[in-house]
Amino acid sequence: AQSVAQPEDQVNVAEGNPLTVKCTYSVSGNPYLFWYVQYPNRGLQFLLKYITGDNLVKGSYGFEAEFNKSQTSFHLKKPSALVSDSALYFCAVSSLMNRDDKIIFGKGTRLHILP
Amino acid sequence: DAGVIQSPRHEVTEMGQEVTLRCKPISGHNSLFWYRQTMMRGLELLIYFNNNVPIDDSGMPEDRFSAKMPNASFSTLKIQPSEPRDSAVYFCASSLSRGVNQPQHFGDGTRLSIL
Repeated sequence: AQSVAQPEDQVNVAEGNPLTVKCTYSVSGNPYLFWYVQYPNRGLQFLLKYITGDNLVKGSYGFEAEFNKSQTSFHLKKPSALVSDSALYFCAVSSLMNRDDKIIFGKGTRLHILP
Repeated sequence: DAGVIQSPRHEVTEMGQEVTLRCKPISGHNSLFWYRQTMMRGLELLIYFNNNVPIDDSGMPEDRFSAKMPNASFSTLKIQPSEPRDSAVYFCASSLSRGVNQPQHFGDGTRLSIL
């Protein structure tokens, strides 16, 4: 069975500092990995995905994520945090080995960027 | 390009009443998903459709919940009778094709309160 873990419920970062939101996964076969962001009273918005190829994936709003197969991780990163990055972030995983189209979401990490 | 449209945005009703949530997916998308989000349980997949056909409804909590997709541009999620524990934010999402490497696009949700 596939699963995804976001080990931190909350991450606090000072504005201007680099940020990392952690994600690890477990899946049969090659993973497809996603990051989404949710702002208050809004739906989840797609940020970026890893399907194959370069391990460093660039996405919206200056975010990027690094796929690490040996560590089964897909951490979200940004070189310099903005206060407007404060939101709830979800990691998600799926695989061609699925018998269905489900994408499994993590429980989310709340990111606070401190001015 | 219009995103996923959900209505109503907010619904407050008394327990025992029938509740109908509506969703219009992105034009051209042929997979549609219904999720429920609560603080306690996070994001839960209730049911998803492909080409208007329900593929997996294993996440539907009880027989009180039902979902339909009569055509490619409309879906409903119905709760009858409603109970206070059904209070949550309900999201609809759509994706371009049946494929686990496709990102899902979310509506802004319906915040449901059952008194």
